[in-house]
Amino acid sequence: GENVEQHPSTLSVQEGDSAVIKCTYSDSASNYFPWYKQELGKGPQLIIDIRSNVGEKKDQRIAVTLNKTAKHFSLHITETQPEDSAVYFCADSGGGADGLTFGKGTHLIIQP
Amino acid sequence: NAGVTQTPKFQVLKTGQSMTLQCAQDMNHNSMYWYRQDPGMGLRLIYYSASEGTTDKGEVPNGYNVSRLNKREFSLRLESAAPSQTSVYFCASSEVGWDDYGYTFGSGTRLTVV
Repeated sequence: GENVEQHPSTLSVQEGDSAVIKCTYSDSASNYFPWYKQELGKGPQLIIDIRSNVGEKKDQRIAVTLNKTAKHFSLHITETQPEDSAVYFCADSGGGADGLTFGKGTHLIIQP
Repeated sequence: NAGVTQTPKFQVLKTGQSMTLQCAQDMNHNSMYWYRQDPGMGLRLIYYSASEGTTDKGEVPNGYNVSRLNKREFSLRLESAAPSQTSVYFCASSEVGWDDYGYTFGSGTRLTVV
């Protein structure tokens, strides 16, 4: 079945620095790659997504890049702030109708 | 606009007891999903319903049953709870073209089986 690997599992950065989280996928039929942010005690919330016909997408301080040849995509957060501290999940659509497959998550810690 | 509502938020069961987790969405979405979240395991699909009247197994369906009661509601039932089912359960919904809009998640049900 589809497999999504996410790294690192924990990432600690100084406030104001950039953070990068990477994911790789296995199904070449995948064409949709969302990122979710989960704050403590809450459900995951979609923060940005990218489709296979686009290489990069930005939304203020966050951006996602996609390399279809290498089958990997990354989340970039610039000028990190304390409110960016959360668990981030990548996901991909795979080739089937059963929805998204998620990575295991990255715990992002912003150090003051 | 409530989005996706899950009840209860917390539950403690004894081994062998049964219970039903409720999920309702008010966004007129066609597709609904049940995931479980365990430490270090990410989100794993239990069951999904692509449209009203249909349900299908996901990655980890054993020990669970589901009912798509109508377009709004999708329930998850544990017939005989086991400690291995201790987890946080999330319901999600999406448009038919879920790869256009992604998922909307509920706030979760934290279940402990003792």
